[in-house]
Amino acid sequence: AAGVIQSPRHLIKEKRETATLKCYPIPRHDTVYWYQQGPGQDPQFLISFYEKMQSDKGSIPDRFSAQQFSDYHSELNMSSLELGDSALYFCASSPGPEGTEAFFGQGTRLTVV
Amino acid sequence: AQSVTQLDSHVSVSEGTPVLLRCNYSSSYSPSLFWYVQHPNKGLQLLLKYTSAATLVKGINGFEAEFKKSETSFHLTKPSAHMSDAAEYFCVVSDTGNQFYFGTGTSLTVIP
Repeated sequence: AAGVIQSPRHLIKEKRETATLKCYPIPRHDTVYWYQQGPGQDPQFLISFYEKMQSDKGSIPDRFSAQQFSDYHSELNMSSLELGDSALYFCASSPGPEGTEAFFGQGTRLTVV
Repeated sequence: AQSVTQLDSHVSVSEGTPVLLRCNYSSSYSPSLFWYVQHPNKGLQLLLKYTSAATLVKGINGFEAEFKKSETSFHLTKPSAHMSDAAEYFCVVSDTGNQFYFGTGTSLTVIP
């Protein structure tokens, strides 16, 4: 069965650089979530989209932005990277906005040096 | 407001003995509750979910959880631990579905 696909799987960037993470949801899933998981931490909600519109916003820094495109894939854009941005970034998708389960991708491990 | 409390940050059991991972939640609405497992350097895998149907939910790999509204709990159990169960377990609550609220996780160690 198709799963959530994230690319790249690993990314190394220098401070002050920019990064773009991509997420391809499961087909026919219209809701996408982004989470950030620091070392030894629980996943922290960043932002979510439903039908290409932002549906909720969490602890996403102003340096980050995200959008969901017409094909439902989503991109997380991160600028002015800081060492503290090093984390595992998960994308999840679900088939609807009403409490259905989220299916998570394998994550993108971002290392800022 | 929604929140999840996982009462134990670490649980250690012997192989073949029962597993109990505790989770309490608070929610302003009728919540949906989930347990996810994360193996080292892996993504999050759904174990089971509760969405207002049967209160005893059976998941994959022999895990199950019981929703107890009076106790606002959703504890995860398994009758007999296997070495491959060693991982991080997250209890998650969702109300309207716009986001999922994670507990801080419970690290399960299985002793041979």
